Amino acid sequence: DGGITQSPKYLFRKEGQNVTLSCEQNLNHDAMYWYRQDPGQGLRLIYYSQIVNDFQKGDIAEGYSVSREKKESFPLTVTSAQKNPTAFYLCASRDTVDSPLHFGNGTRLTVT
Amino acid sequence: GDSVTQMEGPVTLSEEAFLTINCTYTATGYPSLFWYVQYPGEGLQLLLKATKADDKGSNKGFEATYRKETTSFHLEKGSVQVSDSAVYFCALSTGTGGGNKLTFGTGTQLKVEL
Repeated sequence: DGGITQSPKYLFRKEGQNVTLSCEQNLNHDAMYWYRQDPGQGLRLIYYSQIVNDFQKGDIAEGYSVSREKKESFPLTVTSAQKNPTAFYLCASRDTVDSPLHFGNGTRLTVT
Repeated sequence: GDSVTQMEGPVTLSEEAFLTINCTYTATGYPSLFWYVQYPGEGLQLLLKATKADDKGSNKGFEATYRKETTSFHLEKGSVQVSDSAVYFCALSTGTGGGNKLTFGTGTQLKVEL
């Protein structure tokens, strides 16, 4: 079955360390997205990529970085510059502008 | 810019009660509208969508009608079940040049009790 795989489900890191969250899709979608979810704030867009080797900042890109070297992969690095990294991170993809997003099951990152 | 406003939760209902979750939007152009559902510890799943005015999206007993005149897309279900307990997100997509990204509301938590 086609879908989006995020790993790991839970991730723990010490403050000051960079950490990379994995996102892989086998839906053959061109566009991929990273969202951050915090209680009471809904989803906020971090980065998105509409095609391989191209990506754009979303609304809250500071302290994050991404790469898109392959169509099926869109990893997100949470750097030590991100002041409040503890959150639930969701990766998504879609086919066209009017298509719905397909989401992975998320990675819960805890930084202490 | 584009925005979505949802009623605040949590909404607590008894099983078989009628559900309405309000959603209004502000957007340039003619957005597509979506409702997503999130069960605990999971990602979001598409519940239903509508792509033009007066369209009605429906799925699993849930319905929402795209009302351009009131810029609304309220979610309704005639008889809720305990298994409907989740967080519901309204979203829009305009596909404008700024990036074909979705704008989400803050989510409404629904709790259904026996």
